[in-house]
Amino acid sequence: SQKIEQNSEALNIQEGKTATLTCNYTNYSPAYLQWYRQDPGRGPVFLLLIRENEKEKRKERLKVTFDTTLKQSLFHITASQPADSATYLCAEREGGTSYGKLTFGQGTILTVHP
Amino acid sequence: ETGVTQSPTHLIKTRGQQVTLRCSSQSGHNTVSWYQQALGQGPQFIFQYYREEENGRGNFPPRFSGLQFPNYSSELNVNALELDDSALYLCASSFGLAGVLNEQYFGPGTRLTVT
Repeated sequence: SQKIEQNSEALNIQEGKTATLTCNYTNYSPAYLQWYRQDPGRGPVFLLLIRENEKEKRKERLKVTFDTTLKQSLFHITASQPADSATYLCAEREGGTSYGKLTFGQGTILTVHP
Repeated sequence: ETGVTQSPTHLIKTRGQQVTLRCSSQSGHNTVSWYQQALGQGPQFIFQYYREEENGRGNFPPRFSGLQFPNYSSELNVNALELDDSALYLCASSFGLAGVLNEQYFGPGTRLTVT
């Protein structure tokens, strides 16, 4: 079965730098990969979705890439701010199913220091 | 903030008891999914309800069951609680079968502690 692995449990960076988070999948290439932000005591909030045939997607300071050769997605936050501190989750949406099951990685805790 | 609400916020139960968690989906949404999130882990899919019927299930035993009502609100029931059931239970709503790009909106979750 598919596994979604986020390599770093925690990432600490200085304000203003670019944060780069990694998401790897182990088996088949997902039809879609999604990135979510989760703050303590709250549910995940959808950020970006990238399809299998897309190389890159951007939204304001966020950028996501999808490399099917490396079986990897990278999530970048440029000009990071302390308010970006949160847990970031990568999730796969299975293609070909009639229901929207998301398979999540374990998350990366990002801390941006002022 | 999404329009998805969950109740209660926190709950403490004893092993062997039964629990019911509730979710109100965002206005206009007819699909509800439930996830279990253990501490330090990502959410795990339990099941999904579409138009009052279960139409997808993850790797959870039958003591996890659910309901969806005509107004598309939903309940998650867990029987014979075990210590490992302690987790944050998340509800997510969306429109349609969410088979393609339908974004799922998560509620704040219910923190269940089993002692």
